[in-house]
Amino acid sequence: GAGVSQSPRYKVTKRGQDVALRCDPISGHVSLYWYRQALGQGPEFLTYFNYEAQQDKSGLPNDRFSAERPEGSISTLTIQRTEQRDSAMYRCASSYGQGGSYEQYFGPGTRLTVT
Amino acid sequence: QKEVEQNSGPLSVPEGAIASLNCTYSDRGSQSFFWYRQYSGKSPELIMFIYSNGDKEDGRFTAQLNKASQYVSLLIRDSQPSDSATYLCAVNMNTGFQKLVFGTGTRLLVSP
Repeated sequence: GAGVSQSPRYKVTKRGQDVALRCDPISGHVSLYWYRQALGQGPEFLTYFNYEAQQDKSGLPNDRFSAERPEGSISTLTIQRTEQRDSAMYRCASSYGQGGSYEQYFGPGTRLTVT
Repeated sequence: QKEVEQNSGPLSVPEGAIASLNCTYSDRGSQSFFWYRQYSGKSPELIMFIYSNGDKEDGRFTAQLNKASQYVSLLIRDSQPSDSATYLCAVNMNTGFQKLVFGTGTRLLVSP
């Protein structure tokens, strides 16, 4: 079946512009996670949704970052007034359930470059 | 001190050997522990997870957990060139959903 999909796969934007990154989880997966991964580093947790509820946003770096999942399926991560330090791979993951035994399936990521 | 520490490597082993990957973590309240494999330019994929002290085996992979020492390891037996990748250790420090804290990863190179 289809895995987690993300779009766009690559995004180049100018400093100060807003960007919206989309994640389409595996059908039926209630949990959705956003991560940011810098080159040579492991993924860094940003935020978590259980269905449409954003249950943890403690990893969002500042108030320029926001995320939503209004119908409990597709999610959008929005970065306002982008800065060069926002350049990274942004990854989305989904899992069937919320608990610790459910595997997180990662999407291919969106490579964001802020010039 | 980082929450999850791994040696960045590279760890080089010959084909057929045992590769031993190690990870330490700082939070004694950590609940569960995961090993992900990430090929260059690809997304992480789960290899194994472990909750209890001791060993857990799955095919050529064995995860070992020692909560007293705050140490988790992954052994890969009969290493193959296709095992060459970065191995990420992740720790769930949360009692609810999987709030994973990842290490920086260890790069494994298996030579033919």
